[in-house]
Amino acid sequence: NAGVTQTPKFRVLKTGQSMTLLCAQDMNHEYMYWYRQDPGMGLRLIHYSVGEGTTAKGEVPDGYNVSRLKKQNFLLGLESAAPSQTSVYFCASSYGTSQGNEQFFGPGTRLTVL
Amino acid sequence: AQSVSQHNHHVILSEAASLELGCNYSYGGTVNLFWYVQYPGQHLQLLLKYFSGDPLVKGIKGFEAEFIKSKFSFNLRKPSVQWSDTAEYFCGCGPGNNRKLIWGLGTSLAVNP
Repeated sequence: NAGVTQTPKFRVLKTGQSMTLLCAQDMNHEYMYWYRQDPGMGLRLIHYSVGEGTTAKGEVPDGYNVSRLKKQNFLLGLESAAPSQTSVYFCASSYGTSQGNEQFFGPGTRLTVL
Repeated sequence: AQSVSQHNHHVILSEAASLELGCNYSYGGTVNLFWYVQYPGQHLQLLLKYFSGDPLVKGIKGFEAEFIKSKFSFNLRKPSVQWSDTAEYFCGCGPGNNRKLIWGLGTSLAVNP
């Protein structure tokens, strides 16, 4: 049981490049989330999904897109990376509100945009 | 708007000192409350959670938290910290059936040996 996994672990991009971060969970969780973590700003929710085929915006969605084509995967895309998107990105998943929405986190992806 | 406040941004303690980290939330209804820990360079891990029942919740590694509904608080405590407790601590609140958790900004704890 791997839990929540993220790929890649590290990435360096140039301004304007695109990339996709992959999150996978093997716990049959309904809900999945993408956060970014920056010093002094805590966790900020980018996008989330409450089921396969559904996505919703969080508090900082601009510049990002997501897709949840399969229940176990949640992709985060950056179409045109900007230096302001330099951050550590965490994916999380949960069973949903029926179990209090306890979230399980992945190991993170450290992204640097030059 | 719903929010979570962690009053202590940076805490420095010596080993064996007692710890209390404050967490207050702003929501008047039923809530689920969490404390997560993030060790340097790692991801967030659950320390403890409160859904219902006994307001004094015990978690891993000797941590506990008390839910005080009248004060909208869920403070984290440990009677005697260790150097290995050096980490960032996050309080999270799940109001009612909200699909998202509301997070505090975190408290950075440094324990000197």
